[in-house]
Amino acid sequence: QSALTQPASVSGSPGQSITISCTGTSSDVGSFNLVSWYQQHPGKAPKLMIYGVNNRPSGVPNRFSGSKSGNTASLTISGLLAEDEADYYCSSYTSSSTPYVFGTGTKVTVL
Amino acid sequence: QVQLVQSGAEVKKPGASVKVSCKASGYTFNIYGMHWVRQAPGQGLEWMGWINAGDGNTRDSPKFKGRVTITTDTSATTIYMELGSLTSEDTAVYYCTRSGDSWSVDNWGQGTLVTVSS
Repeated sequence: QSALTQPASVSGSPGQSITISCTGTSSDVGSFNLVSWYQQHPGKAPKLMIYGVNNRPSGVPNRFSGSKSGNTASLTISGLLAEDEADYYCSSYTSSSTPYVFGTGTKVTVL
Repeated sequence: QVQLVQSGAEVKKPGASVKVSCKASGYTFNIYGMHWVRQAPGQGLEWMGWINAGDGNTRDSPKFKGRVTITTDTSATTIYMELGSLTSEDTAVYYCTRSGDSWSVDNWGQGTLVTVSS
């Protein structure tokens, strides 16, 4: 089972919106609404930002939203803030021999 | 609140094994699954395996070819991850995590750095 594919980097100015894609296959993203997104600041443990494609845990700002179309999931950050600068990872349940897989990760830079 | 407290950093020689513990508190331990996830220096997240903390059923990644053993001690609300036949490629931070809704990872331990070096 290969990692889900994400762009290596995405950047935006404060206040703008950015979208991070997460491309899988019909064995994972395409077949299950079990996509999650995580934010990781340097030297810290990741933090859950979105689960079940488009659900936010308590405490996560509504600037963060998730969606899915076919084999590709997306995370959108609206009203970009300096504190959003971090690495972001998607994940999905899969029907392959490895039941869970992470994305390759995307570094978000706030210009 | 949910707390996952892991054991401390380890330095191991190639070929050795390492066992990392994770003490859970702040929730009903045996109704949640737990994942182990690792992150090599400067690299991304890698899923290693999952355990039903209540009954001990496990699933793990074929990548590790049976080198990973995940166990649970319900009386101590602690899970363990043992990784054998270590090589330098196993140098990483190992995270104990709780499985949340929709197979997400909703809580993370502080991480345990395992360094494999001769």
